[in-house]
Amino acid sequence: EDQVTQSPEALRLQEGESSSLNCSYTVSGLRGLFWYRQDPGKGPEFLFTLYSAGEEKEKERLKATLTKKESFLHITAPKPEDSATYLCAVQAVGGGSNYKLTFGKGTLLTVNP
Amino acid sequence: SAVISQKPSRDICQRGTSLTIQCQVDSQVTMMFWYRQQPGQSLTLIATANQGSEATYESGFVIDKFPISRPNLTFSTLTVSNMSPEDSSIYLCSVVQHEQFFGPGTRLTVL
Repeated sequence: EDQVTQSPEALRLQEGESSSLNCSYTVSGLRGLFWYRQDPGKGPEFLFTLYSAGEEKEKERLKATLTKKESFLHITAPKPEDSATYLCAVQAVGGGSNYKLTFGKGTLLTVNP
Repeated sequence: SAVISQKPSRDICQRGTSLTIQCQVDSQVTMMFWYRQQPGQSLTLIATANQGSEATYESGFVIDKFPISRPNLTFSTLTVSNMSPEDSSIYLCSVVQHEQFFGPGTRLTVL
């Protein structure tokens, strides 16, 4: 069974204090690993897809990296508007639904001014 | 990316009743999905809805409880039937257009 574990559950940073969020996964075969941002009362907003170990993607202050067992979302010099829940999900090769995403519980990030 | 809307955005219902949630997309998509996000839990796929065929349900979800319609390539409905407080959750539809995008969700509270 595919599993995704995110840590920490919650992270509080000061504005400008860089840090990383972790996503550990177990999957029979990885088709893709996804990062989403979710603001309160809204649906998840797509950030990145990573497909193979060693791949990196960047968007503004965010950089996602992937190894064979985990992914990191690095946040550089965060701002209060980066406060949100960050969700990690994996898509496995094969299975009943080719597009099924298995999600972790998320990391609630709070950036204080 | 696709623009997805859901109705209602939230509702409070009595146990034993049913609620139908609508999902509208601004462009034609082949596959639509329904997810559930229970408090403190991960987003979980309920079913995949393809136009012109029966929905495919994930383990733990059944058609009698969560009937789905997919009448065309831009619209789908999910009904939560015979509701109990355990059905209180956020229900989200999603579509694939290169990536998987999500609607704003429907927050359901069952009393």
